[in-house]
Amino acid sequence: KAGVTQTPRYLIKTRGQQVTLSCSPISGHRSVSWYQQTPGQGLQFLFEYFSETQRNKGNFPGRFSGRQFSNSRSEMNVSTLELGDSALYLCASSFGPGGNEQYFGPGTRLTVT
Amino acid sequence: GENVEQHPSTLSVQEGDSAVIKCTYSDSASNYFPWYKQELGKRPQLIIDIRSNVGEKKDQRIAVTLNKTAKHFSLHITETQPEDSAVYFCAAIRDNFNKFYFGSGTKLNVKP
Repeated sequence: KAGVTQTPRYLIKTRGQQVTLSCSPISGHRSVSWYQQTPGQGLQFLFEYFSETQRNKGNFPGRFSGRQFSNSRSEMNVSTLELGDSALYLCASSFGPGGNEQYFGPGTRLTVT
Repeated sequence: GENVEQHPSTLSVQEGDSAVIKCTYSDSASNYFPWYKQELGKRPQLIIDIRSNVGEKKDQRIAVTLNKTAKHFSLHITETQPEDSAVYFCAAIRDNFNKFYFGSGTKLNVKP
């Protein structure tokens, strides 16, 4: 099976812009979670989608949003970018919700200037 | 919510020695505890996990132990090799509540 894929791999944006990141889960996986990874804060949970519904949300401002499509692919959007949004954004997929093994994608490196 | 603390933040061992990384969690309802290895520039990879109905699990040189009463779990790597050098993350999750709380990571350096 193909692994989790994310596009784009690298992105450079300026403050105030918005960005959309994409994640394609492993075939058959219906749950997609998003994480922000920074050197100082480690892996921070953003949100999780299962069957096109957001089931869980982390402690991030409303500028961070996401959605999931019927084929389980997910997108994450960040509006009004700030310098502090520079990070590696990882998505992870699992078969279903609740205590299932999560498999990570390679991440999207976002740099905000 | 859950709070996961991980220690140490850095660990340096000689090749062939053992390495132990410890995590504590706060939510007694957490019942799934995975460990991830992240090599530099790569994605986190699941290396071993344990559920709350089991006290210990082994996979070759890697083992995880869980103490539900004390709410802590540990990763044990025996006969370490240079390729074990990476950042290791623990996590705690409550079943049917797929919100992963990760520890802050341990950078393991295995010296040849």
